[in-house]
Amino acid sequence: SQTIHQWPATLVQPVGSPLSLECTVEGTSNPNLYWYRQAAGRGLQLLFYSVGIGQISSEVPQNLSASRPQDRQFILSSKKLLLSDSGFYLCAWTGLATDTQYFGPGTRLTVL
Amino acid sequence: QKEVEQDPGPLSVPEGAIVSLNCTYSNSAFQYFMWYRQYSRKGPELLMYTYSSGNKEDGRFTAQVDKSSKYISLFIRDSQPSDSATYLCACHSGGYQKVTFGTGTKLQVIP
Repeated sequence: SQTIHQWPATLVQPVGSPLSLECTVEGTSNPNLYWYRQAAGRGLQLLFYSVGIGQISSEVPQNLSASRPQDRQFILSSKKLLLSDSGFYLCAWTGLATDTQYFGPGTRLTVL
Repeated sequence: QKEVEQDPGPLSVPEGAIVSLNCTYSNSAFQYFMWYRQYSRKGPELLMYTYSSGNKEDGRFTAQVDKSSKYISLFIRDSQPSDSATYLCACHSGGYQKVTFGTGTKLQVIP
């Protein structure tokens, strides 16, 4: 069966510090991978999606970036965090045999 | 106008009640409809998945899609305190198209 991991689970970072969140998927090959941010009362905001290694599409221009160095690894980064980057970050995947998205456990980021 | 609209609630019901959660959408191209359950501080968990119009039942849960009115519903029978969570509806048009989510309805089932 497929599983999706995210780490860290929680993170508290000062403004201006760098960020690296990691997502890995097990039990599937060539998944589509997604990064979302969920803010209270605002639903899920799609940040990035990737259909393959090195292929990243950005949905929202901001100080975040994403990379996919391996087939089942997706990384969300920032060089300098802003207060507005606080939120709940979710990674999701879709496979060839499914039309639905499956989410990871999420990372709660607080920027102080 | 958002592509998928969902009443944020909160919705409070007594244990054992039938719960009706609803969304409307505007994009006629949507063919796939999902409901996710999200507990506090956790990732969304897929509950129900429906293609096109019709009903789908899984235990106490029934998903209903009416494409003619662009209306999707989730019914929960014999609601339990463990059903207390935020429920997200989601739609997409298939393949690797982006999924559009509602903002979620917070449900509280009171013992």
